[in-house]
Amino acid sequence: AQKVTQTQTSISVMEKTTVTMDCVYETQDSSYFLFWYKQTASGEIVFLIRQDSYKKENATVGHYSLNFQKPKSSIGLIITATQIEDSAVYFCAMREEYQGGRALIFGTGTTVSVSP
Amino acid sequence: NAGVIQTPRHKVTGKGQEATLWCEPISGHSAVFWYRQTIVQGLEFLTYFRNQAPIDDSGMPKERFSAQMPNQSHSTLKIQSTQPQDSAVYLCASSPTGFERLFFGHGTKLSVL
Repeated sequence: AQKVTQTQTSISVMEKTTVTMDCVYETQDSSYFLFWYKQTASGEIVFLIRQDSYKKENATVGHYSLNFQKPKSSIGLIITATQIEDSAVYFCAMREEYQGGRALIFGTGTTVSVSP
Repeated sequence: NAGVIQTPRHKVTGKGQEATLWCEPISGHSAVFWYRQTIVQGLEFLTYFRNQAPIDDSGMPKERFSAQMPNQSHSTLKIQSTQPQDSAVYLCASSPTGFERLFFGHGTKLSVL
């Protein structure tokens, strides 16, 4: 069965610094998709970045980047030059490709607080 | 593009009453997902449809919960005989085929008194 685990409950950082969040996953599939989403204080959930399991290069979008370590089943999110508006809850998620169309499963989230 | 539309935004029901939640996916998206979010359980997958057909309902409680997608423009989640533990934010999301990023609605906050 697929499983996504985020062990960090909350992280506090100063503005303009770098924050790193951990996520480990479990899957029996040889092909899968990993995602990071952000939930703002208003409750809105937005997609940030994606990593396909067959890609060796770490995905990067704007000031978001991933640290994909496939042997460790780990997909960390790195936010550089953090801004106040990066304060949110960050969810890691996984979708298996071959398990009969399984849906996207989320981790429990990491709350990031960015202070000026 | 209005995004995924969920109605109502807030719903208050008495214990034992029925609640129907509505979702309008983004036009052209063939996959529709339902999730439930609570402080304790986090984001729980409930069910999903592709091309209006139910694909995976492994997260749906076996009793009192049902979901339908009668046409490509809307899906409903129905909770019969609501209980206080059903109180949560119910989120609907859609994606073009189901393997891409999900686009979430703003959710329906259900409060069962």
